[in-house]
Amino acid sequence: NAGVTQTPKFQVLKTGQSMTLQCAQDMNHEYMSWYRQDPGMGLRLIHYSVGAGITDQGEVPNGYNVSRSTTEDFPLRLLSAAPSQTSVYFCASSYKANQPQHFGDGTRLSIL
Amino acid sequence: QKEVEQDPGPLSVPEGAIVSLNCTYSNSAFQYFMWYRQYSRKGPELLMYTYSSGNKEDGRFTAQVDKSSKYISLFIRDSQPSDSATYLCASYMDSNYQLIWGAGTKLIIKP
Repeated sequence: NAGVTQTPKFQVLKTGQSMTLQCAQDMNHEYMSWYRQDPGMGLRLIHYSVGAGITDQGEVPNGYNVSRSTTEDFPLRLLSAAPSQTSVYFCASSYKANQPQHFGDGTRLSIL
Repeated sequence: QKEVEQDPGPLSVPEGAIVSLNCTYSNSAFQYFMWYRQYSRKGPELLMYTYSSGNKEDGRFTAQVDKSSKYISLFIRDSQPSDSATYLCASYMDSNYQLIWGAGTKLIIKP
């Protein structure tokens, strides 16, 4: 099993550009989430989904969009990149919302 | 004040020592407690998962939750250089399954 796969691993963007971070899981997990990790801040929840077709906002949703058209995929879209969005982004999944989450290895994003 | 607090470290100990990592939390409604380990440039991986108070042991790792003092601990026995990583604690409530994370403690085990 591949687990949770995130692409790309690294990306550099210019301010104002848009892009999509990909996340796929092959464990048939219902719950998927996106976090950002910044030094000294820990993991902060951006958006999450409890199943296909259902998404909701987390702690820091501004500037990001998500959709969940299939159980396997949960892409994160940056609408207009800003330097404040420079971070490491992690996708995670779990069988149900109240189960421990499995993480991908992250996407390191720099906005110039 | 953050809901889950951790000392960022780094905590440096010699190989073979017993390591104690700690978190405090402020929300008495937290019922589920987890410890994750994160190696450099990798995603967090689950180490321990406990519900409510008490101890849980898995090999060299013991997780302890004291709800009366809102204190979470992870003990590592016979520490190895491969245990060098950042350790993250996290909690959530029965009524809201959004994980609340500590900022992580960086642990260094010296050979």
